[in-house]
Amino acid sequence: GDSVTQMEGPVTLSEEAFLTINCTYTATGYPSLFWYVQYPGEGLQLLLKATKADDKGSNKGFEATYRKETTSFHLEKGSVQVSDSAVYFCALYTGGFKTIFGAGTRLFVKA
Amino acid sequence: GAGVSQSPSNKVTEKGKDVELRCDPISGHTALYWYRQSLGQGLEFLIYFQGNSAPDKSGLPSDRFSAERTGGSVSTLTIQRTQQEDSAVYLCASIGTSGRDTQYFGPGTRLTVL
Repeated sequence: GDSVTQMEGPVTLSEEAFLTINCTYTATGYPSLFWYVQYPGEGLQLLLKATKADDKGSNKGFEATYRKETTSFHLEKGSVQVSDSAVYFCALYTGGFKTIFGAGTRLFVKA
Repeated sequence: GAGVSQSPSNKVTEKGKDVELRCDPISGHTALYWYRQSLGQGLEFLIYFQGNSAPDKSGLPSDRFSAERTGGSVSTLTIQRTQQEDSAVYLCASIGTSGRDTQYFGPGTRLTVL
């Protein structure tokens, strides 16, 4: 069945470091891919998305490119800030109104 | 406009009691989801409602869990005879007209079963 696998956390970085959180998926058809973020004490919110192969989603300095050949949607940011500390969820939609979420990756950014 | 709201924000109950959790989706959204997030875990899908279709209950962990959506709007998740393993944050989300749309999440209800 369809699934999403993302790197386990926690990830701890110093401010201004480069961030990569890996996400790979297994899906039939042509899925849409998402990254959601959950800041401490808050609900999830959409960070970025891509709906077809080679699309790049971007928001708040974060980017992710939909790679069909490697079935990946890795999240990157060139220079993280303390305020980026949160849990990041990769998600996959293939149809039927059901979105599959990864397990989440907790990011800690130290000043 | 207003986002997704959930109540209560926190609920502490004793083992064996029933609890009801409420979700008010964004007005006009056709689909509504319930998820469970246990400490340090990802999102576990519980149930979703789409328009007037029969709900997809495939994620409900046991028959102690049930949910309804009245008038295509407000939803209530009921847990009967709560157990300690039910302790988690219960998240509600709604979506516009397409499953490819963004899911809008409420802040969650933190349930603690003593």
